[in-house]
Amino acid sequence: QKEVEQNSGPLSVPEGAIASLNCTYSDRGSQSFFWYRQYSGKSPELIMSIYSNGDKEDGRFTAQLNKASQYVSLLIRDSQPSDSATYLCAVNTGGFKTIFGAGTRLFVKA
Amino acid sequence: GAGVSQSPRYKVAKRGQDVALRCDPISGHVSLFWYQQALGQGPEFLTYFQNEAQLDKSGLPSDRFFAERPEGSVSTLKIQRTQQEDSAVYLCASSLTAGVYNEQFFGPGTRLTVL
Repeated sequence: QKEVEQNSGPLSVPEGAIASLNCTYSDRGSQSFFWYRQYSGKSPELIMSIYSNGDKEDGRFTAQLNKASQYVSLLIRDSQPSDSATYLCAVNTGGFKTIFGAGTRLFVKA
Repeated sequence: GAGVSQSPRYKVAKRGQDVALRCDPISGHVSLFWYQQALGQGPEFLTYFQNEAQLDKSGLPSDRFFAERPEGSVSTLKIQRTQQEDSAVYLCASSLTAGVYNEQFFGPGTRLTVL
C-alpha cells in the first residue's frame, strides 16, 4: 500500500463546475497536509496547506481534512481551463520527510 | 524576491559520468529538500538539510548519490557513475522554517538524461 494515494485521473470537468480531488494516506500520525499544482513541464506550486480537521478556504480553493478517515480533499470552485494541471497531495508524517502522491490530472473543458 | 533557482536546467550525461546539480534556495530559508521526480509520478524525497546539517538522507537511492550544503545556503547534489535509471527531474525545495508545518517552495528542476 502506498503511503499517499490519489486517483490518477484524468478528471474532466466543464468550465464553471466544481472539481473534487481526493487523497488518502496511511500513516495515522501524519500532521500536515499540502496540495500542490504542477503544470506539464513545470515544478510543483503550493496551493494550500491544512493541519487540523475541517475545511480551509482560500479563494476558489477549499481543502478538507478528516484525520479519522485519513482523508484529505481539494475542491476547486468555478473551475477554469487554466486550472488544468496535475494536483499533488503531500503529507508530512512527523519527521523531515514529506511524502507525495502520484497526482491527479485535471482537465477543465471550455 | 527571487525564488529557488537550480542549475543547470538540463543535463545530458553519458553512462558512467559524474554530475553535479546546484540549488540556490530562497534567502534565509532554513530547510532545503532534494526530490527526484520520474515521469508521471510525484516527487520522491531524497534528502533534507536544516541549515548545513543533513538530517535525513534516507531517500538517496544508492551510495552514488551525495548531497551537501556546507554553508547553509547553496546545496549541491552529486551523482557519481550515472546510470540510465538516474534519468529524472531533480527538484530542490526550500522552506523558511524547520518542522512539520513548513511549506516548501520548489525550484524549476534539473532534467537529467543519462544516455
